[in-house]
Amino acid sequence: SQQGEEDPQALSIQEGENATMNCSYKTSINNLQWYRQNSGRGLVHLILIRSNEREKHSGRLRVTLDTSKKSSSLLITASRAADTASYFCATEPNTGNQFYFGTGTSLTVIP
Amino acid sequence: DAGVTQSPTHLIKTRGQQVTLRCSPKSGHDTVSWYQQALGQGPQFIFQYYEEEERQRGNFPDRFSGHQYPNYSSELNVNALLLGDSALYLCASSLASLGTQYFGPGTRLLVL
Repeated sequence: SQQGEEDPQALSIQEGENATMNCSYKTSINNLQWYRQNSGRGLVHLILIRSNEREKHSGRLRVTLDTSKKSSSLLITASRAADTASYFCATEPNTGNQFYFGTGTSLTVIP
Repeated sequence: DAGVTQSPTHLIKTRGQQVTLRCSPKSGHDTVSWYQQALGQGPQFIFQYYEEEERQRGNFPDRFSGHQYPNYSSELNVNALLLGDSALYLCASSLASLGTQYFGPGTRLLVL
């Protein structure tokens, strides 16, 4: 399977703490994107990082990309109860026009 | 500016029936991709349409087919429904060259 994998599968933290989730993938990529999904609804795009970038920030989000290890991490700082959701990484390989999604990390932020 | 819209929101069918799901892309987007998301799993790529042609296809049988209209809206058709086709079907639109995909709310299909 070309699908990526997120780690951990589930994460539970207290409000105010930081949450880190990781994504590993198998093929060379053009870019990697992180999405959030609330309770089986549509996916919300969070951030895109291109293969020639190593780190990117957006508000409380920090994404890193290590193409040599084929891995990425998403850090959410100062978490809030509203951050409770499933988080997916999606890779766009440099061989085609499709995205491969990981299996997701389920994040629970306890108020 | 309307985002990606999908219809219907929910659908119940029986085995062997056929279903058509619809998607209107975000304004200005010309590329539509369809995904199937089973419960507890990540979305699986079905296919992508650009300029009314299927440009890329994932590992789905021919029972899954699609269409894109000149206004860039798209349909997903599934024939001879199986119980295993029960899932959330997501449509995503993008500008061909930019990569970021914007997702609709999905259509939840239940096959009995």
